[in-house]
Amino acid sequence: KNQVEQSPQSLIILEGKNCTLQCNYTVSPFSNLRWYKQDTGRGPVSLTIMTFSENTKSNGRYTATLDADTKQSSLHITASQLSDSASYICVVSGPQPNFGNEKLTFGTGTRLTIIP
Amino acid sequence: KAGVTQTPRYLIKTRGQQVTLSCSPISGHRSVSWYQQTPGQGLQFLFEYFSETQRNKGNFPGRFSGRQFSNSRSEMNVSTLELGDSALYLCASSSRQGASYNSPLHFGNGTRLTVT
Repeated sequence: KNQVEQSPQSLIILEGKNCTLQCNYTVSPFSNLRWYKQDTGRGPVSLTIMTFSENTKSNGRYTATLDADTKQSSLHITASQLSDSASYICVVSGPQPNFGNEKLTFGTGTRLTIIP
Repeated sequence: KAGVTQTPRYLIKTRGQQVTLSCSPISGHRSVSWYQQTPGQGLQFLFEYFSETQRNKGNFPGRFSGRQFSNSRSEMNVSTLELGDSALYLCASSSRQGASYNSPLHFGNGTRLTVT
């Protein structure tokens, strides 16, 4: 069964510190992996999308890494800000044989809280 | 360019009633997909519509249905509401069928449905 597991479930860090969120998946075959940021009461917003051939991708202070061999990804946040407080969702995509499009498997997210 | 718009933002219904949620995609996007988000289960895929046809479906009972109009706007209907249907319902649009690498998902801010 395709699964995406994220850790930790929740994390509290001081403003200005760095942190790393983890995502392990069993989706096969694998097409791409996405990280989304979801603020409370709002829809998810895409941070990065990586294919199996990419091992790192940055978006400002967010850097995602991917190891397709071990089926692990991480999202590193540098110099955290109060606005980084949100849920971070890892989504893994695999091709759908019947429709030719992609099937998404979602992790349950990491709830990050930045305190001043 | 306007983002994905979902209406209403909040809805309170009684068990046994039915409800219709609306989603207006980004202009030019022909794919609309729907998701249910609960604290315990995270995001779960309901269905996807492309060019007025349902292209993909998740594992939800037949009480959950949807449709897409010629202008790509989509509606989702839930009949005979149950307490467990309380959730945030998100829709997302993309320019191509399926959630491909080159056509990322753009989410709306959701409709918060509470069933009492």
